[in-house]
Amino acid sequence: QVQLVESGGGVVQPGRSLRLSCAASGFTFTNYGIHWVRQAPGKGLEWVAGISNDGTNQNYADAVRGRFTISRDNSKNTLYLQMNSLRAEDTAVYYCAKDWGAGYGGNPFDYWGQGTLVTVSS
Amino acid sequence: QSVLTQPPSVSGAPGQRVTISCSGSSSNIGAGYDVHWYQQLPGTAPKLLIYGDSSRPSGVPDRFSGSKSGTSASLAITELQADDEADYYCQSYDSSLSAWVFGGGTKLTVL
Repeated sequence: QVQLVESGGGVVQPGRSLRLSCAASGFTFTNYGIHWVRQAPGKGLEWVAGISNDGTNQNYADAVRGRFTISRDNSKNTLYLQMNSLRAEDTAVYYCAKDWGAGYGGNPFDYWGQGTLVTVSS
Repeated sequence: QSVLTQPPSVSGAPGQRVTISCSGSSSNIGAGYDVHWYQQLPGTAPKLLIYGDSSRPSGVPDRFSGSKSGTSASLAITELQADDEADYYCQSYDSSLSAWVFGGGTKLTVL
């Protein structure tokens, strides 16, 4: 069955960096786009970034563009999110979510991981 | 302020029908992009509930249905049950932002 397992969360000071990982299994990783979606404590869902199946196309929310970088290693079935210049408002549970298709606009996210908590605090 | 607008909360008694609205604009729902709905039970990850405006993934009961018209969409839940109590989110794609967008979420309370 499809599994997405996030890791790398933790407590980090403002201005520092953190890298999240998402290990995927149970499907042909190279066929699907993957996204990061976050949820601040007590708040709603916010799409953060997405990457196409072959890694050639990346998209970012305005709130993170220029600070976060999404990437994937198709040989390891793993998705990454490099987060630099972290701010208090980046505090959230970060979910990875599988795209229904190759990762170009409009598809639903049909499987989600359980999330990893990132806390940005001094 | 979310790009897609949902009511913060709705409620209904067991057995009743409720609807949750999702209002967008000409750059997302009105542009023809599909609307998807997710259910998030307390303390869990979101789950795809409705995709492509009105289709249900395998395993989702037919008590859940979706519709779209113009720049808005709706999720209807019939025969309300206690375990339907959750947060519900609509999602679409916005061509002006080149981004996937979510509604702010609606908390369903079963009275």
